Amino acid sequence: GENVEQHPSTLSVQEGDSAVIKCTYSDSASNYFPWYKQELGKGPQLIIDIRSNVGEKKDQRIAVTLNKTAKHFSLHITETQPEDSAVYFCAASWPRGGSARQLTFGSGTQLTVLP
Amino acid sequence: SQTIHQWPATLVQPVGSPLSLECTVEGTSNPNLYWYRQAAGRGLQLLFYSIGIDQISSEVPQNLSASRPQDRQFILSSKKLLLSDSGFYLCACTGGAGETQYFGPGTRLLVL
Repeated sequence: GENVEQHPSTLSVQEGDSAVIKCTYSDSASNYFPWYKQELGKGPQLIIDIRSNVGEKKDQRIAVTLNKTAKHFSLHITETQPEDSAVYFCAASWPRGGSARQLTFGSGTQLTVLP
Repeated sequence: SQTIHQWPATLVQPVGSPLSLECTVEGTSNPNLYWYRQAAGRGLQLLFYSIGIDQISSEVPQNLSASRPQDRQFILSSKKLLLSDSGFYLCACTGGAGETQYFGPGTRLLVL
């Protein structure tokens, strides 16, 4: 199976600063890496994803980078705003067999943006 | 795009009582469906996944079970709840041949 480690577990930044969350994975067969944002009491929402044939992807203030050789990927949020405060999860998708693919999630990062 | 419904939103049950949580999906056909549990302040633990009607795999030995009576309906059940079953239960789906998982709003279960 896959093992995903996520750091840091908590992160506080000043409004306007950048935030970086890092994840590592173990299974070289993993080829899809989504990031989710979870607000209190709600289900996780996909915010950005990256496939293994791409090294970087950007969507406005959010970017994700992937280093396949080192098996790590990172989420970068620039110009942080208070509404970015939430728990962020990384995940790696790996083939389970047949048509099923499974996501293994990191343990989450509580991001707090201080006004 | 798909929409995932879960109900109830919140549930308080006594220890030893039965459980039935329902998840339905709209906007996609032949989805893969998933049940996750999230303890307070923790990550997501995969409980069950299903690639088709009556095709369900269990990830963690426990007193929970899952059923998929229809293509877009996934049910999580228990005959007798334990205190340790408390948590936030999330249903997720992938649509068609896609692998992106989308999550429902969740059900918060408190077992007393």
